[in-house]
Amino acid sequence: DAKTTQPNSMESNEEEPVHLPCNHSTISGTDYIHWYRQLPSQGPEYVIHGLTSNVNNRMASLAIAEDRKSSTLILHRATLRDAAVYYCILRDRNYGGATNKLIFGTGTLLAVQP
Amino acid sequence: EPEVTQTPSHQVTQMGQEVILRCVPISNHLYFYWYRQILGQKVEFLVSFYNNEISEKSEIFDDQFSVERPDGSNFTLKIRSTKLEDSAMYFCASSVLAGVSYEQYFGPGTRLTVT
Repeated sequence: DAKTTQPNSMESNEEEPVHLPCNHSTISGTDYIHWYRQLPSQGPEYVIHGLTSNVNNRMASLAIAEDRKSSTLILHRATLRDAAVYYCILRDRNYGGATNKLIFGTGTLLAVQP
Repeated sequence: EPEVTQTPSHQVTQMGQEVILRCVPISNHLYFYWYRQILGQKVEFLVSFYNNEISEKSEIFDDQFSVERPDGSNFTLKIRSTKLEDSAMYFCASSVLAGVSYEQYFGPGTRLTVT
């Protein structure tokens, strides 16, 4: 699986937008970009995913660079509940048994200040 | 909203004992997974399970580990002879199908402490 690089930690203020970057310079054409997050003392939780186009859902937006070598998860208005570790994960769409699993890195620890 | 449940929330066992961690995946999901997270470390994949068979396992998932779907709802992880280094949070997950379009839903985890 291609490697992703994320900042170890970021801080945000409540009700402000947050932009969480992810670099994946060795991404292949068949890799989808997935984001999960892990709230304190909980299991990981799916946030969003995309391939080439920007994506929006009720939780967040995903902005993907034109060359796909980087992406940004956007939380439009951070709340205290968004304090979590955010993981950027690449998943190959060429499904075989080896692509079922999620490979987690260390992620970005987001702190939200009131 | 449907959710993955896990029991117990915390299990304390002595080294060398067998433990069984239980999970109830979301009812219409077909793929099941176990992950673990040692305190302060990354979430690590252990095994995936489909159609009553292991579809993939990691190097961590050695002969001491086994998984089973004993009935239509439960999915279990057994550790035959626990070691101190097995102490971790164990997360069960499920997905409707495999592949990149299908998100995995995680349970709240079981904290296993081996003394």
